[in-house]
Amino acid sequence: KNEVEQSPQNLTAQEGEFITINCSYSVGISALHWLQQHPGGGIVSLFMLSSGKKKHGRLIATINIQEKHSSLHITASHPRDSAVYICAAPGGATNKLIFGTGTLLAVQP
Amino acid sequence: DTEVTQTPKHLVMGMTNKKSLKCEQHMGHRAMYWYKQKAKKPPELMFVYSYEKLSINESVPSRFSPECPNSSLLNLHLHALQPEDSALYLCASSRLPQGAGSYEQYFGPGTRLTVT
Repeated sequence: KNEVEQSPQNLTAQEGEFITINCSYSVGISALHWLQQHPGGGIVSLFMLSSGKKKHGRLIATINIQEKHSSLHITASHPRDSAVYICAAPGGATNKLIFGTGTLLAVQP
Repeated sequence: DTEVTQTPKHLVMGMTNKKSLKCEQHMGHRAMYWYKQKAKKPPELMFVYSYEKLSINESVPSRFSPECPNSSLLNLHLHALQPEDSALYLCASSRLPQGAGSYEQYFGPGTRLTVT
């Protein structure tokens, strides 16, 4: 069993839909990363959060440290949101990341 | 400046070639990372440097040789690679935790390596 689990693995949505991607982890962490990777592209950090909620544009991330669960929400989804979304748990003396398996999101016009 | 740069963007090399990948950051981060990413998979950690010293080697074959000449630069020297080493190689950097905290990692755009 992976230490960081994501669901769903694949998600197809129509433009304008509200999207939720979930991340559960078994490791003890103080914060969680949400990352985005467009096809053929590099990785962009969307959020790092340790409690509550963060919002950036149409993206919202929430975390419940006690329940070891985080969600990434996309409001009014758009085809340019099509990408792989990865949650990752940083930790240890080297701050190394433990990655989830990723969620491949396709938003159709 | 929150940028991590990597060169080259693309690299094609034969199995007998020697090449190097370069990574640079000017954020004062003292942790730097090399990752390998195959298609449709999350990145796999290869190496971690802390304060310019190698602190993690995830059992990477010796044909990959990392080097951290100073706090801003990270190199990955490649020699006698195999076709299965073709992948996207990502560099990242972050601050180092003092105690139980954690910090955001900043990723470079990657080098897409093809071994022929």
